[in-house]
Amino acid sequence: DIRMTQSPASLSASLGETVNIECLASEDIYSDLAWYQQKPGKSPQLLIYNANSLQNGVPSRFSGSGSGTQYSLKINSLQSEDVATYFCQQYNNYPNTFGAGTKLELK
Amino acid sequence: EVQLVESGGGLVQPGASLKLSCVASGFTFSDYWMSWVRQTPGKTMEWIGDIKYDGSYTNYAPSLKNRFTISRDNAKSTLYLQMSNVRSEDTATYYCQLGFDYWGQGVMVTVSS
Repeated sequence: DIRMTQSPASLSASLGETVNIECLASEDIYSDLAWYQQKPGKSPQLLIYNANSLQNGVPSRFSGSGSGTQYSLKINSLQSEDVATYFCQQYNNYPNTFGAGTKLELK
Repeated sequence: EVQLVESGGGLVQPGASLKLSCVASGFTFSDYWMSWVRQTPGKTMEWIGDIKYDGSYTNYAPSLKNRFTISRDNAKSTLYLQMSNVRSEDTATYYCQLGFDYWGQGVMVTVSS
């Protein structure tokens, strides 16, 4: 199985700040990576697919980048509604695997 | 509007079997691969498996392959997850998924005596 190492596990940031979350794959996943946002009590919502493609309706302050084994999610100008847990998922190889999640809170 | 509605969860004893359902609407169900994903109480996400649009092929997480079976009834636009010999570590919220952008609301399964 491909292991997805996501960091940090938790993050505290101020409104308006820029936040970066990273996922490191145990092998090359050729940009087959999605990022999700999950708010308490809700299902995950897709933010980014194919490592850097913004899902329709997702604010442009969210962006994804990376290649090979290293990927990141960037949130510019943090808003209060961005408080959530964020997950990465690789879909290059079966079984698809997820990162452990990053819990983002406001400072 | 795409809707995925899971059902069939609840409290189940260790060693028992349980079958979850996911009723789909708002798209042509028989055209799409479908997946099951679960999330533990500690928020760990685990991909369970997926099934081809015609039901002819399935993929599973190796750790679950011997106990979990995914099937579908395209006439009923329904996806199923048959769970057997359940264990406490199967306690989770189970989601059905269409692609990456549509998830059901989830159904809770608690395995406890």
